[in-house]
Amino acid sequence: SYVLTQPPSVSVAPGKTARITCAGNNIGSRRVHWYQQKPGQAPVLVISYDTDRRSGIPERFSGSNSGNTATLTISRVEAGDEADYHCQVWDSSSDHVVFGGGTKLTVL
Amino acid sequence: QVRLQESGPGLVKPSETLSLTCTVSGASISRNYWSWLRQPPGKGLECVGFMHSSGYTSYNPSLKSRVSISGDASKTQFSLNVKSVTAADSAVYYCARNLNEHGGMYSDSWGQGILVTVSS
Repeated sequence: SYVLTQPPSVSVAPGKTARITCAGNNIGSRRVHWYQQKPGQAPVLVISYDTDRRSGIPERFSGSNSGNTATLTISRVEAGDEADYHCQVWDSSSDHVVFGGGTKLTVL
Repeated sequence: QVRLQESGPGLVKPSETLSLTCTVSGASISRNYWSWLRQPPGKGLECVGFMHSSGYTSYNPSLKSRVSISGDASKTQFSLNVKSVTAADSAVYYCARNLNEHGGMYSDSWGQGILVTVSS
């Protein structure tokens, strides 16, 4: 089955740029979606189809996908961005939804 | 605006069947796909499976032999059953609406989640 790998944690100072990666074999050929999950809350979709920012999501959030790595980039990081971030793809060969292990973003 | 709400017992005994229901408002389950996901405490998300109103279902290969998902459009509800549960099935369970456009499926609306613990 298809495997997505995320770093367990990323730390960044306020006002700086955070980059959260999602690695998978030739992931650039797939459509990647990103979710933000704050403690005790359900996940919220922030980016769909690699780069499409969802309604209500700040422009500071952006996505890219090429080769074997997809990346969620958060510019001018704020304390309120502290959360777990999950990448997800649909594996058409198995008709199964696959998630990465999630990355905890800490704002220093 | 689509809203989803999970309901069911928060405690299930080992070897028994876990049964949850998701009530949907603001949308018809006769359209799109509807899924169940889960998240063990302190761990990542896992898709349990999803259904379409046509009757089509797809399940996580690791759970396929124990899981079933079905829907009742008249009640705008869909349900999850997991047989022969163990402690490893303890998790927060979420129901969600899945969209499948442009060759990729994702969950755009989620319920708040329900914690299910498997314990005697």
